[in-house]
Amino acid sequence: DIQMTQSPSSLPASLGDRVTITCRASQDIGNYLRWFQQKPGKSPRLMIYGATNLAAGVPSRFSGSRSGSDYSLTISSLESEDMADYYCLQSKESPFTFGSGTKLEIK
Amino acid sequence: QVQLKESGPGLVQPSQTLSLTCTVSGFSLTSYNVHWVRQPPGKGLEWMGVIWSGGNTDYNSALKPRLSISRDTSKSQVFLTMNSLQTEDTGIYYCNREIGGYWGQGVMVTVSS
Repeated sequence: DIQMTQSPSSLPASLGDRVTITCRASQDIGNYLRWFQQKPGKSPRLMIYGATNLAAGVPSRFSGSRSGSDYSLTISSLESEDMADYYCLQSKESPFTFGSGTKLEIK
Repeated sequence: QVQLKESGPGLVQPSQTLSLTCTVSGFSLTSYNVHWVRQPPGKGLEWMGVIWSGGNTDYNSALKPRLSISRDTSKSQVFLTMNSLQTEDTGIYYCNREIGGYWGQGVMVTVSS
């Protein structure tokens, strides 16, 4: 199975900060990488698909990038509504696997 | 519009079998894949399995021995069955279309005697 190593597990940040969350794949997944946002008591929301493509309705301050086997989600200027948990998912091959998650919280 | 809704018992006894239903609307199960994802309280997301549009299935390696996903296309329903439940299976169970933008609200399942 493909392992997704996500870091950091917790990310204290201030409003207006630029923040980056990273996932590393244990083997080649191409661009089959998605990012999800989850707020307390809510279902996950798709933010990025195909490693770099913004999902419908997602603010442009969110972006996705890839460098080799490392995939990143960046928020260019943090807003209060961005405080949530974030997960990566590889969909290159079954079984699909999620990263362990990152809790983005106010410093 | 596209909707998915999970249903099932909120409480299951240890060693018993869990049966959940995902009822979908706004799309055909023969055109889209439906996945199941679960989340233990306070923990991360875990992919459980998928029923592909063609009817084949794939499962999480750790859950495969006790997990089954099936469907009734005429009723637009997808079923999850998992046996030998333990307390660590407690959590919220979600169905979703294509692991994309459409998710159900989730159903809380508690495994307890």
